[in-house]
Amino acid sequence: DTGVSQNPRHKITKRGQNVTFRCDPISEHNRLYWYRQTLGQGPEFLTYFQNEAQLEKSRLLSDRFSAERPKGSFSTLEIQRTEQGDSAMYLCASSRRVGIDETQYFGPGTRLLVL
Amino acid sequence: GIQVEQSPPDLILQEGANSTLRCNFSDSVNNLQWFHQNPWGQLINLFYIPSGTKQNGRLSATTVATERYSLLYISSSQTTDSGVYFCAVNTGTASKLTFGTGTRLQVTL
Repeated sequence: DTGVSQNPRHKITKRGQNVTFRCDPISEHNRLYWYRQTLGQGPEFLTYFQNEAQLEKSRLLSDRFSAERPKGSFSTLEIQRTEQGDSAMYLCASSRRVGIDETQYFGPGTRLLVL
Repeated sequence: GIQVEQSPPDLILQEGANSTLRCNFSDSVNNLQWFHQNPWGQLINLFYIPSGTKQNGRLSATTVATERYSLLYISSSQTTDSGVYFCAVNTGTASKLTFGTGTRLQVTL
């Protein structure tokens, strides 16, 4: 396993612009999660995919946010009309149930700064 | 939703000291993980431990599910142990993790 990868690692954008982040999960992991972490806080759940189906979305995921996982492989998270409050670390995780074990493995994150 | 509280919030240790971090949760859980978040923001898996005891080198963890708490033990601490330690849980049929408030650990020479 090469681990969960995320791109870009850093993104600086101006308020009102659209941004898109990519997550490549560990191969054969059928579950993929997006979380958001602001300074001094723990990560908060945004959304979850099982294969290509988006099964759960948090109330934190406003209409400006959309996530996809075509073909059940990589996933993208798009933020439209960014606001300064969107500045945060966006974390992706993946998992696969093995017996009773379903450890979630996290990527390095994409750090977003909205000016 | 489930509440997850960690203590202490901050901890400063001298290199070589031992420590115990605690995670309390308000409901039954299916999954409990301990993570170390390094200064670059990477969340590193330490343990998947919904119940019982596990050990990995200088680290060990115990979860007492019936009493709704988990402990992370760090022995002979090193400066590379510095960072924030999170526990995270999920409940029922939900797969999403709910993270605790974190313990910020600083190990000094």
